[in-house]
Amino acid sequence: DIQLTQSPSSLSASVGDRVTITCRASQTIVKYLNWYQQRPGKAPKLLIYGATSLHSAVPSRFRGSGSGTEFTLTISSLQFEDFATYYCQQSSRVPYSFGQGTNVEIK
Amino acid sequence: EVQLVESGGGLVQPGGSLRLSCEASGFTFSEYWMSWVRQAPGKAPEWVANIYRDGSEEYYADSVKGRFTISRDNGNNVVYLQMNSLRAEDTATYYCARLWGELLHYFDYWGQGTLVSVSS
Repeated sequence: DIQLTQSPSSLSASVGDRVTITCRASQTIVKYLNWYQQRPGKAPKLLIYGATSLHSAVPSRFRGSGSGTEFTLTISSLQFEDFATYYCQQSSRVPYSFGQGTNVEIK
Repeated sequence: EVQLVESGGGLVQPGGSLRLSCEASGFTFSEYWMSWVRQAPGKAPEWVANIYRDGSEEYYADSVKGRFTISRDNGNNVVYLQMNSLRAEDTATYYCARLWGELLHYFDYWGQGTLVSVSS
């Protein structure tokens, strides 16, 4: 099975900051990596699919990059509504797996 | 507008059974894979099962294989999760999700979730 490790597990940032979250896979997953945002008490929402493609209606301040085993989610200028938990997820092969999450908190 | 609405969660004793339902609307249901994903309190989501468009293929996480069964009714736009031999570690919010399955696979829409608690 493929394990995903996110770093950091949590971070504190201010509105306007640039934020970067990393996701590392235990073996190559090419570009089959997706990113989700989850606010408290809500379902996850798709942000990025295929490592780099922005899902519909997702603001352009979100950017995904990477391939192989190392991937990055960047938020170029953090907004208040971006304070949430972010998860990466691989769809290279079943069983699909998620990272442990990165909690983005207000500084 | 894509909508997924789960139902059927609740409190059940260990060893018991429960059937979850997910009613879909706003898209051509029979053209999409569907999935169940669960999330235990304070934990990351965990993929549970996938079912192909016509129900001819099913995939399961090892943690539920042999106990859970995913199925679908394309005439009524509903996907089900039959859960048997429930254990305390199955306690979670269960989400129904649409799975985009063309080359790239991703969960593009999620329901609001239904809570399953397994406890005596």
